[in-house]
Amino acid sequence: QSVLTQPPSVSGAPGQRVTISCTGSSSNIGAGYDVHWYQQVPGTAPKFLIYGNNNRPSGVPDRFSGSKFGTSASLAITGLQAEDEAEYYCQSYDSSLSGSYVFGTGTKVTVL
Amino acid sequence: EVQLVQSGAEVKKPGARVKISCKVSGYTFTDYYIHWVQQAPGKGLQWMGLLDPEDGEPIYAEKFQGRVTITADTSTDTAYMELSSLRSEDAAVYYCARSSHLDYWGQGTQVTVSS
Repeated sequence: QSVLTQPPSVSGAPGQRVTISCTGSSSNIGAGYDVHWYQQVPGTAPKFLIYGNNNRPSGVPDRFSGSKFGTSASLAITGLQAEDEAEYYCQSYDSSLSGSYVFGTGTKVTVL
Repeated sequence: EVQLVQSGAEVKKPGARVKISCKVSGYTFTDYYIHWVQQAPGKGLQWMGLLDPEDGEPIYAEKFQGRVTITADTSTDTAYMELSSLRSEDAAVYYCARSSHLDYWGQGTQVTVSS
């Protein structure tokens, strides 16, 4: 079971804004550990999307943004596009588990 | 160009072990951690462990402790993940990924466990 909880699914029409939450606890996000986000299209490897809570690697469109507050983090997609339909995962570090990196439960984004 | 290229699909019997390779190129192998991640069919990502290729020290997730071994060969810039005592629930795609924030990933290796 994951220690980072995400909604199973979110959806939006093209051009809309959607947000994905990632809820943790005082031993991971709340302890100050960075949150990273990944996008996974079915049948392919995950793609690095956001690092260090709110930084985009080169090549990632600026419609993707991240934030972190307290024991939670969020990924926002503005100007939703058909190509954004994918599974999204948050990831952090948890100090209650022996040297453990942890992933969120995953959120399927559907473009209506 | 940074690349992580994994070995091909494997079919194993229950109780056997599997060893997957991850050959890197385009950067200095010892400069970044290598992680291994499991993804069972229709499921999410499960972190298995990591290795610092510079000192060879692995860290394993509690779930896989005792069954997983992660190693590296700095002469060939290749990392390995071996999983033993395979059971049906180990059937999954296994990925290697680079760095503390998993910025580059291998293409994945499908492991089938079947008698």
